[in-house]
Amino acid sequence: DAKTTQPTSMDCAEGRAANLPCNHSTISGNEYVYWYRQIHSQGPQYIIHGLKNNETNEMASLIITEDRKSSTLILPHATLRDTAVYYCIVRVERTDSWGKFQFGAGTQVVVTP
Amino acid sequence: DSGVTQTPKHLITATGQRVTLRCSPRSGDLSVYWYQQSLDQGLQFLIQYYNGEERAKGNILERFSAQQFPDLHSELNLSSLELGDSALYFCASSVVGWGLNEQFFGPGTRLTVL
Repeated sequence: DAKTTQPTSMDCAEGRAANLPCNHSTISGNEYVYWYRQIHSQGPQYIIHGLKNNETNEMASLIITEDRKSSTLILPHATLRDTAVYYCIVRVERTDSWGKFQFGAGTQVVVTP
Repeated sequence: DSGVTQTPKHLITATGQRVTLRCSPRSGDLSVYWYQQSLDQGLQFLIQYYNGEERAKGNILERFSAQQFPDLHSELNLSSLELGDSALYFCASSVVGWGLNEQFFGPGTRLTVL
């Protein structure tokens, strides 16, 4: 699975959009981009994933560049409850791709009033 | 609430001891995953079971073992405990065995080894 690079930390004002970047320059054609988040000491929570098209759900939007070497997770209206570590993970999803899930260091996002 | 339950919530024990952590997956989920999260190592994948069979191993020490029972609950056994084994241990479950997007995490067990 391709390696990802994320900023160590970022701040965001409450009510504003939070744009979280992730670089995955070695991504291959069949690897998906996933985002998870972990609120302090709780179990990680799935946010969104995509292959090459932009995706949106009730939690966030995922923008993947055309060359797929980077992506941005957008939290449209950040709240204090969005303070968490956000993990960007690249992974092949096939029926024989068992285990080996790798969470990196992630980005610590702090939403301030 | 993810639907995944883990017991106990907290565990304090001494070096050299053995402990068992328990996980009940969401109803209908066949796959169970174990992760370890310590301050200096981040979230590390340990092992995965699917419908009772081991399917993948990550950074799991030989002192650690796991199993998944016919009712699909899983146990992680940690033996000859060392101070460095102090960590949060998470269990996750999914319906299928390969879907990262479908993993639901439990609240974790905090293990403290004194």
